[in-house]
Amino acid sequence: DGGITQSPKYLFRKEGQNVTLSCEQNLNHDAMYWYRQDPGQGLRLIYYSQIVNDFQKGDIAEGYSVSREKKESFPLTVTSAQKNPTAFYLCASSIDWTGFNQPQHFGDGTRLSIL
Amino acid sequence: ILNVEQSPQSLHVQEGDSTNFTCSFPSSNFYALHWYRWETAKSPEALFVMTLNGDEKKKGQISATLNTKEGYSYLYIKGSQPEDSATYLCAFSSSNDYKLSFGAGTTVTVRA
Repeated sequence: DGGITQSPKYLFRKEGQNVTLSCEQNLNHDAMYWYRQDPGQGLRLIYYSQIVNDFQKGDIAEGYSVSREKKESFPLTVTSAQKNPTAFYLCASSIDWTGFNQPQHFGDGTRLSIL
Repeated sequence: ILNVEQSPQSLHVQEGDSTNFTCSFPSSNFYALHWYRWETAKSPEALFVMTLNGDEKKKGQISATLNTKEGYSYLYIKGSQPEDSATYLCAFSSSNDYKLSFGAGTTVTVRA
């Protein structure tokens, strides 16, 4: 089945540690996104990629980094510079960046906690 | 970050009853309004993408309307069933940058 796979489901980070969240899609979508969810808030955009080998900062990019070396993959690294990383992280994709009349497709998410 | 408001934050509905809730968004630079259903332990699922003022869309017993001039959309659930229990997210896309700005969601609980 076509879809988005995020791994792991749960992740724990120690102080000073970088961790990487995986996101893979087999929908042949050009655009991919990373969102963060905190209790009582809407999803907030961390980074997005319009096409392979390109990515742009979203609204809350500080303390995060991404890469887009393959169309199917858009991993997110939460660095030690992110002082409040505990949250639920969602990866999404869409056919293209403008996405006119096209929805985004989401993975199941990764819950990151601090040890 | 654009201001997208959803109300109420949560509501409880008796099985078989109908309900509706609101999404408010900026009335300028409108590009699209998305609705998603997010069930517990699952990924958000797209319900509608609405692009024209006055648009009405329907999927089963769920429907949505759009008013881009005043900046609001309503989602209606007719004859609620327990499987309609979920958090419903709306997201506004601006013609400036196409990025989605999400509301915090309305959580619907349908009681049998």
